Amino acid sequence: GESVGLHLPTLSVQEGDNSIINCAYSNSASDYFIWYKQESGKGPQFIIDIRSNMDKRQGQRVTVLLNKTVKHLSLQIAATQPGDSAVYFCAENSNDYKLSFGAGTTVTVRA
Amino acid sequence: KAGVTQTPRYLIKTRGQQVTLSCSPISGHRSVSWYQQTPGQGLQFLFEYFSETQRNKGNFPGRFSGRQFSNSRSEMNVSTLELGDSALYLCASSFGHFNTEAFFGQGTRLTVV
Repeated sequence: GESVGLHLPTLSVQEGDNSIINCAYSNSASDYFIWYKQESGKGPQFIIDIRSNMDKRQGQRVTVLLNKTVKHLSLQIAATQPGDSAVYFCAENSNDYKLSFGAGTTVTVRA
Repeated sequence: KAGVTQTPRYLIKTRGQQVTLSCSPISGHRSVSWYQQTPGQGLQFLFEYFSETQRNKGNFPGRFSGRQFSNSRSEMNVSTLELGDSALYLCASSFGHFNTEAFFGQGTRLTVV
């Protein structure tokens, strides 16, 4: 079946460095993508989204890049902080009223 | 603006029992979706409701059901609980159109013993 997946299950980053979290998707019909952050004991928190007619979108300290040619999505976090430690999920939607999630990447920020 | 509210936060049930979980969406949101999160399977879609109508359903057995009320609040029910139903059940709300942001609640942690 079609799925959304992440390249790496874990990422360790030094505080102050930039983080890049990758996601590969296989559903070519997907046209909307969201990145979520989930901290322990909490529900997923919306970070940023991007539609398929865009290839880049920026938020506060975060940038999402979309490469439809290779079906690849990435989340860049600038100047990573301890509070950024969490599990990050990419999710995709193909106009069917549901989100399909990747397995998640656990980001650990080293002081 | 209040976020998505799920109740209860924690539940412990015995195999064979049934359980009802509740979700109140963000004010103005008419779509409510439910997801099951487990360490092994990750986040799996259960179903989505909009204006009291189920628009999509995931690959779960018929023991899992849901409904939505006229005020957009939603409930999901799991009957004849099995150990494997132990999970974090998450509710997300959105305006309900294609390609709109979905916001999650804190979830209900269900443990079946």
